[in-house]
Amino acid sequence: GAVVSQHPSRVICKSGTSVKIECRSLDFQATTMFWYRQFPKQSLMLMATSNEGSKATYEQGVEKDKFLINHASLTLSTLTVTSAHPEDSSFYICSARILVGWETQYFGPGTRLLVL
Amino acid sequence: RKEVEQDPGPFNVPEGATVAFNCTYSNSASQSFFWYRQDCRKEPKLLMSVYSSGNEDGRFTAQLNRASQYISLLIRDSKLSDSATYLCVVNSGGGADGLTFGKGTHLIIQP
Repeated sequence: GAVVSQHPSRVICKSGTSVKIECRSLDFQATTMFWYRQFPKQSLMLMATSNEGSKATYEQGVEKDKFLINHASLTLSTLTVTSAHPEDSSFYICSARILVGWETQYFGPGTRLLVL
Repeated sequence: RKEVEQDPGPFNVPEGATVAFNCTYSNSASQSFFWYRQDCRKEPKLLMSVYSSGNEDGRFTAQLNRASQYISLLIRDSKLSDSATYLCVVNSGGGADGLTFGKGTHLIIQP
Protein backbone atom coordinates (compact mmCIF):
# COMPACT_ATOMS: atom_id res chain seq x y z
CA GLY A 1 0.00 0.00 0.00
CA ALA A 2 0.88 3.65 -0.18
CA VAL A 3 3.18 5.10 2.45
CA VAL A 4 2.49 8.17 4.53
CA SER A 5 4.98 9.44 7.06
CA GLN A 6 4.59 11.81 9.97
CA HIS A 7 7.16 13.71 11.93
CA PRO A 8 7.72 13.89 14.80
CA SER A 9 6.27 10.69 16.19
CA ARG A 10 6.22 12.05 19.70
CA VAL A 11 6.58 15.52 21.17
CA ILE A 12 6.48 16.87 24.68
CA CYS A 13 6.27 20.62 25.05
CA LYS A 14 5.50 23.31 27.57
CA SER A 15 2.17 25.05 27.63
CA GLY A 16 2.12 28.08 25.35
CA THR A 17 4.56 26.80 22.77
CA SER A 18 3.72 25.98 19.17
CA VAL A 19 4.22 22.54 17.67
CA LYS A 20 4.49 21.72 13.98
CA ILE A 21 3.63 18.26 12.67
CA GLU A 22 4.55 17.20 9.15
CA CYS A 23 2.68 14.71 7.02
CA ARG A 24 4.28 13.41 3.84
CA SER A 25 3.11 11.07 1.13
CA LEU A 26 6.25 9.18 0.19
CA ASP A 27 5.44 7.41 -3.03
CA PHE A 28 2.46 9.23 -4.43
CA GLN A 29 1.02 12.70 -4.80
CA ALA A 30 -1.91 13.65 -2.62
CA THR A 31 -4.00 16.64 -3.54
CA THR A 32 -6.04 16.06 -0.42
CA MET A 33 -4.85 15.17 3.05
CA PHE A 34 -6.81 14.96 6.26
CA TRP A 35 -5.95 15.66 9.86
CA TYR A 36 -7.57 13.65 12.63
CA ARG A 37 -7.29 13.70 16.39
CA GLN A 38 -7.85 10.82 18.75
CA PHE A 39 -8.22 11.14 22.50
CA PRO A 40 -7.73 8.04 24.67
CA LYS A 41 -10.44 5.44 24.18
CA GLN A 42 -12.22 7.69 21.70
CA SER A 43 -12.72 7.40 17.97
CA LEU A 44 -10.74 9.38 15.46
CA MET A 45 -12.31 12.74 14.83
CA LEU A 46 -11.73 14.65 11.61
CA MET A 47 -10.28 18.07 12.30
CA ALA A 48 -9.75 19.45 8.85
CA THR A 49 -9.30 18.72 5.18
CA SER A 50 -6.09 20.00 3.68
CA ASN A 51 -6.13 20.82 -0.03
CA GLU A 52 -2.97 21.51 -1.98
CA GLY A 53 -2.76 25.14 -3.01
CA SER A 54 -5.87 26.29 -1.19
CA LYS A 55 -7.14 26.94 2.32
CA ALA A 56 -7.97 24.06 4.57
CA THR A 57 -11.55 23.23 5.40
CA TYR A 58 -12.15 22.89 9.14
CA GLU A 59 -14.75 20.80 10.87
CA GLN A 60 -17.21 22.46 13.18
CA GLY A 61 -15.69 23.25 16.54
CA VAL A 62 -12.09 23.21 15.34
CA GLU A 63 -10.39 26.60 15.64
CA LYS A 64 -8.59 27.44 12.41
CA ASP A 65 -6.39 30.03 14.13
CA LYS A 66 -5.24 27.48 16.66
CA PHE A 67 -4.65 24.60 14.26
CA LEU A 68 -2.86 26.08 11.26
CA ILE A 69 -2.71 23.86 8.21
CA ASN A 70 -0.48 24.38 5.22
CA HIS A 71 -0.50 22.11 2.18
CA ALA A 72 2.28 23.69 0.15
CA SER A 73 3.04 20.77 -2.14
CA LEU A 74 1.46 17.58 -3.41
CA THR A 75 3.43 15.53 -0.92
CA LEU A 76 3.47 17.64 2.22
CA SER A 77 0.90 19.01 4.64
CA THR A 78 1.74 20.55 7.99
CA LEU A 79 -0.37 21.06 11.09
CA THR A 80 0.79 23.65 13.59
CA VAL A 81 -0.76 23.63 17.03
CA THR A 82 -0.31 27.20 18.17
CA SER A 83 -0.01 28.13 21.84
CA ALA A 84 -0.57 24.54 22.87
CA HIS A 85 -2.29 23.80 26.16
CA PRO A 86 -2.62 20.55 28.14
CA GLU A 87 -6.08 19.93 26.67
CA ASP A 88 -4.45 19.77 23.23
CA SER A 89 -2.57 16.66 24.30
CA SER A 90 -3.73 13.96 21.95
CA PHE A 91 -2.81 11.59 19.14
CA TYR A 92 -2.76 13.48 15.84
CA ILE A 93 -2.98 11.41 12.67
CA CYS A 94 -2.88 12.52 9.07
CA SER A 95 -4.11 10.63 6.07
CA ALA A 96 -3.74 11.02 2.34
CA ARG A 97 -6.53 10.36 -0.07
CA ILE A 98 -6.07 8.16 -3.09
CA LEU A 99 -8.56 7.80 -5.90
CA VAL A 100 -7.60 4.74 -7.88
CA GLY A 101 -10.77 2.89 -8.69
CA TRP A 102 -11.98 2.66 -5.13
CA GLU A 103 -11.26 5.62 -2.93
CA THR A 104 -9.34 5.01 0.21
CA GLN A 105 -7.16 6.82 2.66
CA TYR A 106 -3.76 5.83 3.95
CA PHE A 107 -2.76 6.96 7.38
CA GLY A 108 0.47 8.23 8.77
CA PRO A 109 1.83 6.61 11.95
CA GLY A 110 0.54 9.45 14.11
CA THR A 111 2.10 11.99 16.43
CA ARG A 112 1.65 11.85 20.17
CA LEU A 113 1.54 15.32 21.63
CA LEU A 114 1.88 15.88 25.35
CA VAL A 115 1.59 19.44 26.56
CA LEU A 116 2.79 19.99 30.10
CA ARG B 1 -27.78 9.79 17.35
CA LYS B 2 -24.15 9.01 16.63
CA GLU B 3 -23.19 8.78 12.97
CA VAL B 4 -21.44 5.43 13.26
CA GLU B 5 -22.17 3.11 16.16
CA GLN B 6 -20.37 -0.01 17.24
CA ASP B 7 -20.43 -2.25 20.28
CA PRO B 8 -17.17 -1.36 22.03
CA GLY B 9 -16.78 -4.84 23.53
CA PRO B 10 -14.39 -6.22 24.54
CA PHE B 11 -15.12 -9.45 22.76
CA ASN B 12 -13.12 -12.25 24.36
CA VAL B 13 -12.92 -15.10 21.88
CA PRO B 14 -10.95 -18.36 21.98
CA GLU B 15 -8.42 -18.93 19.26
CA GLY B 16 -9.92 -20.67 16.25
CA ALA B 17 -13.44 -19.42 16.88
CA THR B 18 -15.55 -17.32 14.54
CA VAL B 19 -16.49 -13.82 15.61
CA ALA B 20 -18.77 -11.23 14.04
CA PHE B 21 -19.18 -7.51 14.60
CA ASN B 22 -21.91 -5.20 13.42
CA CYS B 23 -21.91 -1.48 12.90
CA THR B 24 -24.78 0.89 12.13
CA TYR B 25 -24.61 4.23 10.38
CA SER B 26 -27.10 7.05 10.42
CA ASN B 27 -26.55 8.80 7.11
CA SER B 28 -28.51 7.00 4.41
CA ALA B 29 -26.57 8.91 1.76
CA SER B 30 -23.29 7.30 2.82
CA GLN B 31 -21.41 6.00 -0.15
CA SER B 32 -18.30 4.14 0.97
CA PHE B 33 -17.75 1.75 3.82
CA PHE B 34 -14.62 0.27 5.31
CA TRP B 35 -13.27 -1.77 8.15
CA TYR B 36 -10.01 -0.54 9.63
CA ARG B 37 -7.89 -2.26 12.22
CA GLN B 38 -6.12 -0.29 14.91
CA ASP B 39 -3.54 -1.78 17.22
CA CYS B 40 -2.87 -0.18 20.57
CA ARG B 41 -1.28 3.26 20.20
CA LYS B 42 -0.93 2.85 16.44
CA GLU B 43 -2.60 4.40 13.43
CA PRO B 44 -5.59 2.72 11.78
CA LYS B 45 -4.84 0.43 8.87
CA LEU B 46 -7.29 -0.49 6.16
CA LEU B 47 -8.49 -4.03 6.61
CA MET B 48 -10.99 -4.13 3.79
CA SER B 49 -13.48 -2.06 1.86
CA VAL B 50 -17.10 -3.15 2.02
CA TYR B 51 -18.89 -3.61 -1.27
CA SER B 52 -22.64 -3.73 -1.80
CA SER B 53 -22.48 -7.35 -2.88
CA GLY B 54 -20.38 -8.35 0.11
CA ASN B 55 -16.77 -9.37 -0.14
CA GLU B 56 -14.34 -11.84 1.30
CA ASP B 57 -10.61 -11.64 1.89
CA GLY B 58 -9.19 -14.81 3.33
CA ARG B 59 -10.67 -15.32 6.78
CA PHE B 60 -12.48 -12.00 6.69
CA THR B 61 -15.93 -11.40 5.23
CA ALA B 62 -17.66 -8.03 5.06
CA GLN B 63 -21.33 -7.44 4.36
CA LEU B 64 -23.32 -4.27 3.72
CA ASN B 65 -27.06 -3.91 4.28
CA ARG B 66 -28.12 -0.55 2.91
CA ALA B 67 -31.79 -0.99 3.77
CA SER B 68 -30.99 -1.47 7.44
CA GLN B 69 -27.89 0.72 7.33
CA TYR B 70 -25.52 -1.72 8.88
CA ILE B 71 -22.18 -3.26 8.06
CA SER B 72 -20.79 -6.49 9.39
CA LEU B 73 -17.40 -8.10 9.68
CA LEU B 74 -16.93 -11.83 10.16
CA ILE B 75 -13.59 -13.32 11.17
CA ARG B 76 -13.21 -17.08 10.82
CA ASP B 77 -10.59 -19.27 12.45
CA SER B 78 -9.43 -16.38 14.62
CA LYS B 79 -5.72 -16.02 15.38
CA LEU B 80 -4.00 -14.45 18.34
CA SER B 81 -2.73 -11.77 15.97
CA ASP B 82 -6.30 -10.74 15.23
CA SER B 83 -6.47 -9.09 18.66
CA ALA B 84 -7.00 -5.41 17.95
CA THR B 85 -9.66 -2.73 17.75
CA TYR B 86 -11.79 -2.90 14.62
CA LEU B 87 -13.10 0.41 13.38
CA CYS B 88 -16.19 0.74 11.25
CA VAL B 89 -15.66 3.64 8.89
CA VAL B 90 -18.08 5.47 6.63
CA ASN B 91 -17.53 8.11 3.98
CA SER B 92 -20.65 10.12 3.39
CA GLY B 93 -19.22 11.86 0.36
CA GLY B 94 -20.55 15.19 -0.75
CA GLY B 95 -18.38 18.02 0.52
CA ALA B 96 -16.96 15.99 3.37
CA ASP B 97 -14.38 13.61 2.07
CA GLY B 98 -13.02 12.76 5.45
CA LEU B 99 -14.00 9.49 6.98
CA THR B 100 -16.32 9.11 9.94
CA PHE B 101 -15.09 6.51 12.40
CA GLY B 102 -16.95 4.43 14.88
CA LYS B 103 -15.39 4.15 18.33
CA GLY B 104 -14.26 0.68 17.49
CA THR B 105 -14.85 -2.83 18.77
CA HIS B 106 -12.10 -4.28 20.90
CA LEU B 107 -11.33 -7.92 20.13
CA ILE B 108 -9.20 -10.15 22.34
CA ILE B 109 -8.30 -13.58 21.05
CA GLN B 110 -7.41 -15.92 23.88
CA PRO B 111 -5.12 -18.94 23.54
